[in-house]
Amino acid sequence: EVQLVESGGGLVKPGGSLRLSCAASGFTFSSYSMNWVRQAPGKGLEWVSSISSSSSYIYYADSVKGRFTISRDNAKNSLYLQMNSLRAEDTAVYYCARDSGTNSYWGQGTLVTVSS
Amino acid sequence: DIQMTQSPSSLSASVGDRVTITCRASQGIRNDLGWYQQKPGKAPKRLIYAASSLQSGVPSRFSGSGSGTEFTLTISSLQPEDFATYYCLQHNSYSWTFGQGTKVEIK
Repeated sequence: EVQLVESGGGLVKPGGSLRLSCAASGFTFSSYSMNWVRQAPGKGLEWVSSISSSSSYIYYADSVKGRFTISRDNAKNSLYLQMNSLRAEDTAVYYCARDSGTNSYWGQGTLVTVSS
Repeated sequence: DIQMTQSPSSLSASVGDRVTITCRASQGIRNDLGWYQQKPGKAPKRLIYAASSLQSGVPSRFSGSGSGTEFTLTISSLQPEDFATYYCLQHNSYSWTFGQGTKVEIK
């Protein structure tokens, strides 16, 4: 069974940093591109970042470019999102997702709250 | 960047109704589009991929159509468990873009 489990969310002050993790299991992690998607409270879904299977290709939404860094460790079956210079508007539930081809898998999400 | 315009933003319907939701892309995206259902407090669930292919395990009352810039999600006979928010997602470009969402409510 495919599982994606996010962790690392919490309360952080504006300007602070946080590192999210996504532990993957039930599939060959190193074969798939992975993504982060977020959802602010009461709002719609927003794509944040994508990383290819070997980390050769990395993309960011303009709203996080220069502040967030996506990475992965295929040996540990893990996806990461390093978030720096956090702003109030980064408050959201962050989902990791493997969504390509015929299958789509999402984690349960981890809440990041940026507030003083 | 590709923009996705989804309509309507909300609708009220009764059990048994036929419901149609539309997404329009700002430029052609072939059939690189999926439809998702999200219920409160839950992760999105993909219903349709490649614009018209039904995800395994999803009821056949859900269907998708379209190609290029115009896409449609149809629920042929709305069921109580279908009251939720629906999103389209394009993945044609290196960046994904979601539609704004359509909240389907009980009339």
